[in-house]
Amino acid sequence: GIQVEQSPPDLILQEGANSTLRCNFSDSVNNLQWFHQNPWGQLINLFYIPSGTKQNGRLSATTVATERYSLLYISSSQTTDSGVYFCAVRYYGGSQGNLIFGKGTKLSVKP
Amino acid sequence: EAGVAQSPRYKIIEKRQSVAFWCNPISGHATLYWYQQILGQGPKLLIQFQNNGVVDDSQLPKDRFSAERLKGVDSTLKIQPAKLEDSAVYLCASSLGGSPSTDTQYFGPGTRLTVL
Repeated sequence: GIQVEQSPPDLILQEGANSTLRCNFSDSVNNLQWFHQNPWGQLINLFYIPSGTKQNGRLSATTVATERYSLLYISSSQTTDSGVYFCAVRYYGGSQGNLIFGKGTKLSVKP
Repeated sequence: EAGVAQSPRYKIIEKRQSVAFWCNPISGHATLYWYQQILGQGPKLLIQFQNNGVVDDSQLPKDRFSAERLKGVDSTLKIQPAKLEDSAVYLCASSLGGSPSTDTQYFGPGTRLTVL
């Protein structure tokens, strides 16, 4: 099956800093989502982005499907950005609804 | 618009006991998913329903786990008997159920299960 690898596994930032999170995947995908899991465990949709670039406030994401990676950019980080960021993909060889998640990047933003 | 609802939020049981979780998806969402998230890992799909039919249960440990979605809306996930390794967060998600390439899943708050 497809492999989804996220880096870095852990990231500590000072408030106001910028960061880039990476997601590599080993097969062609037809669906890619970024999620933020807050410290209370809630998974929040950030982006649906199987290809191209999207922006939402301080967050933006870019997926280069032909090179099998996606990037999540966080600018001017805030303490509320802390949590775990997951990349999840659905690939052409998988079952119809199965999202395959990476292990996540744990982000801690210090005041 | 109300999100995906789950209950209970927390549950502590002893091994070999049984437990059940409940999920109410977003109104109008045809597809419902149950995921298991073990500490330090990403969620893993257990079962997917399209209306009240099972689409994928290939990763559901059927000797102890069962799930149903009788009227195509609410769903329950049951574990009987529980093992220590079942300690995890159980997440329910729902989606409209359109094309897999465009369908976006929305997650509930999860149920944190501890098996002692």
